Amino acid sequence: DAMVIQNPRYQVTQFGKPVTLSCSQTLNHNVMYWYQQKSSQAPKLLFHYYDKDFNNEADTPDNFQSRRPNTSFCFLDIRSPGLGDAAMYLCATSSPWGEQYFGPGTRLTVT
Amino acid sequence: KQEVTQIPAALSVPEGENLVLNCSFTDSAIYNLQWFRQDPGKGLTSLLLIQSSQREQTSGRLNASLDKSSGRSTLYIAASQPGDSATYLCAVEDGNNRKLIWGLGTSLAVNP
Repeated sequence: DAMVIQNPRYQVTQFGKPVTLSCSQTLNHNVMYWYQQKSSQAPKLLFHYYDKDFNNEADTPDNFQSRRPNTSFCFLDIRSPGLGDAAMYLCATSSPWGEQYFGPGTRLTVT
Repeated sequence: KQEVTQIPAALSVPEGENLVLNCSFTDSAIYNLQWFRQDPGKGLTSLLLIQSSQREQTSGRLNASLDKSSGRSTLYIAASQPGDSATYLCAVEDGNNRKLIWGLGTSLAVNP
């Protein structure tokens, strides 16, 4: 019973070529997050939503944008990927009592 | 500013051993504390969530404790198995918003 689904699991893009990562959830949670995780590092929060209220972390590059058209879906757009954007991108939701549920992640490679 | 530290960074134990992973945080104003497991190249799996008003939570062979006043949590794993090998991450939810502050994790290897 997948609860947080991310597609694709692996994404290869070229330097500078826009890419979109998608996330969907079956939990009906109002709060959703996008994280970036690089090797041997903790997840780094990029954005989060309280319902449709969008919150951008101060150090999230302008190159990264997000959309949440409805409760179930959330997208991460990288407008011009650089080599430094290669990472695992994790989507998560939060229950009303604060437990976070993560998707399997999308591994992004930039060539 | 909240900081989360996990000790040790890596741990290798023989199968069957009971073990303790440690997590400390600098600001006791937390909403909750969560322990996660991460297998290489995979997403995170929530193991246990302890609300700020709770002292411990148990799930199977796992037991997590929380001492807010001293800024500490422990994850106890009983009768460890090779399948427990993974990285274990601790995160506290900031008391003022819904953001998690993460430790760097403990990489656990359980040897057959």
